[in-house]
Amino acid sequence: DAGVIQSPRHEVTEMGQEVTLRCKPISGHDYLFWYRQTMMRGLELLIYFNNNVPIDDSGMPEDRFSAKMPNASFSNLKIQPSEPRDSAVYFCASSFSGSGRPPTDTQYFGPGTRLTVL
Amino acid sequence: GIQVEQSPPDLILQEGANSTLRCNFSDSVNNLQWFHQNPWGQLINLFYIPSGTKQNGRLSATTVATERYSLLYISSSQTTDSGVYFCAVVLNTDKLIFGTGTRLQVFP
Repeated sequence: DAGVIQSPRHEVTEMGQEVTLRCKPISGHDYLFWYRQTMMRGLELLIYFNNNVPIDDSGMPEDRFSAKMPNASFSNLKIQPSEPRDSAVYFCASSFSGSGRPPTDTQYFGPGTRLTVL
Repeated sequence: GIQVEQSPPDLILQEGANSTLRCNFSDSVNNLQWFHQNPWGQLINLFYIPSGTKQNGRLSATTVATERYSLLYISSSQTTDSGVYFCAVVLNTDKLIFGTGTRLQVFP
């Protein structure tokens, strides 16, 4: 398996522009997670999905952030409008829960998207 | 909320040395994982270890859930071990809460 795939790997944009980050989870995994990593706040969970349904979005910083998972093999995270303080590395991760919750297997992380908002 | 603290925050070793990294958590957890973030930013799973001891090559981990801590042992360290080591815990939800990390530098 190719692992979790994220695109783009690097994104530089200007303040006010819309940014879309993409993620393809590992095939067969039923959980998908979006994280953000900054020097100040470390790694923090933004939102996660189970079977394509958003379960907890309490980590999403504000209404400018939204995430969707239209099918089991794709998710995107959008920021509109973007601001300089959104600059960070955004990770997507997936895992498999087996017969029940919580996930009983490890979370596998993608390579991340480094976002810079000027 | 749960606190996940790691120590030491920074560690500098010479190649060949052994080290122990510690992770303390303030509440009962269902799951604990150790990750290595390499200098290129990639997060790599090391162990899924809610309790007990596991070994993988030069690395081993022990979690004592009743005492709310986990240890990661690195033996005969190599320069490729450099990076940041995170422990992360899962409570009774699906959320993974990351610790503060230990930054390891191994010099030849």
